[in-house]
This record gives sequence, C-alpha cells and structure tokens, in this order.
Amino acid sequence: DIQVTQSPSSLSASIGDRVTITCRASQDVFQYLNWYQHKPGRAPKLLIFDTSELETGVPSRFSGNGSGTHFILTINGLQPEDFATYYCLQHSDLFTFGGGTRVDI
Amino acid sequence: EVQLVQSGAEIKKPGEPLKISCQGSGYNFATYWVAWVRQMPGKGLEWMGIIYPGDSDTRYSSDFEGQVTISVDKSINTAYLRWNTLKASDSAMYFCARPRDSSGFDAFDLWGQGTLVTVSS
Repeated sequence: DIQVTQSPSSLSASIGDRVTITCRASQDVFQYLNWYQHKPGRAPKLLIFDTSELETGVPSRFSGNGSGTHFILTINGLQPEDFATYYCLQHSDLFTFGGGTRVDI
Repeated sequence: EVQLVQSGAEIKKPGEPLKISCQGSGYNFATYWVAWVRQMPGKGLEWMGIIYPGDSDTRYSSDFEGQVTISVDKSINTAYLRWNTLKASDSAMYFCARPRDSSGFDAFDLWGQGTLVTVSS
C-alpha cells in the first residue's frame, strides 16, 4: 500500500497569509495527487486534481505543484472561509489520504 | 441534478448488523466507481473501498478488507456499505464519493452528505 505523509498536522495563520501544506508519498504516484478542503459537518470539497489542476469554481488563490513523491498545496492570501482541514489523496494505486492539516487562526 | 444521497443516521448496539446506502442520480450510475470514506470522531479521512456498479468489481483498503462489505444494486442506482457485527470503534461519519471521470480511478468530485453511525450499548 502507498503511504502518504502530510505536514504539518496543524498550523495557525492570519488573514492574508501565504500557507503551504506538503504531502509525501511512499512511492511514485506520478501526477495522481489531489487536494481537498473539509469543514465540520460537510462533505469534503475537491480543490485541485492531478497535482495542479484547479477544480471548476475554486478560487485561484489555491494552487498545487509537485511530482512523483513530493507535492505542495499553496493558499496565497488566506481568506476567512479558508479556515478548514485540508487533505491530499493519491489515486495512483487505489487510494490513500494524507493525515490532514488543520488551518486555524 | 447530479448527486449522491446517503441514508440517514443510525444508532446501533455492538454486535448488531448494519447496512447503509448511497443512491446516485443525474448521471449514468453504472459507469462510475463509487467509493466509501470513513471519518472517525476527531480523526482524518480514510479510504475504505470502491465498487464499479457495472460489474460489481470491488477493491478494498487493506485496513478494511474483511471488516466491511461493499455491494451495489445498479437497478436502483444504489451502493451499500455493510457490517455483519458492529463494534463501538465503527462509530464514525461515512461518506460515499464518485470519481471525476468514468474511465477509472480519479479524484472524487461528487460526495454524499455523509451518514453518521453511532455504536453504543
């Protein structure tokens, strides 16, 4: 099974900050890495698929990059609605979620 | 409207069986995989398994194989997650989800609203 390590597990940030979250896979997942935003009581929301492709309707302050085993989600200019937990998910070999990153004030 | 609608919250006792459902609508249900994802209280998302309604091809996470059974009834556009014997540790929110693309495994862009399962004596 592919393992995915996400860091940090939590971070504190302020409105307008630039935030970066990292996921590392235990083996090459090529470009098959996605990012989700999850708020309590709601279904997860797809932000970015295939490493860097922005899902329709997602603000451009979200971006993703990386390849192989190392991937980064960046939020440029954190907004109040961005406080949530973020997960990466690989789908190169079945599926594996990262452990999550809680972003709070 | 393209959507996945899950069955309602359940309160069960340890040892009881349970089957929860996820019904798709607004798209060709038989041609998209349907996955199940668990979130235990205060914990992260965990992929449990996935089924292809067209032929019932099913894959499980090694963490969940033998613990749950995923099935489907494509005649009513519904996927299921079943436990034969619940444990308190099965208490969680369960989501179903559908990949973006029907050609295979892909990012999940469509999610059910979640089913809260509580197992307590």
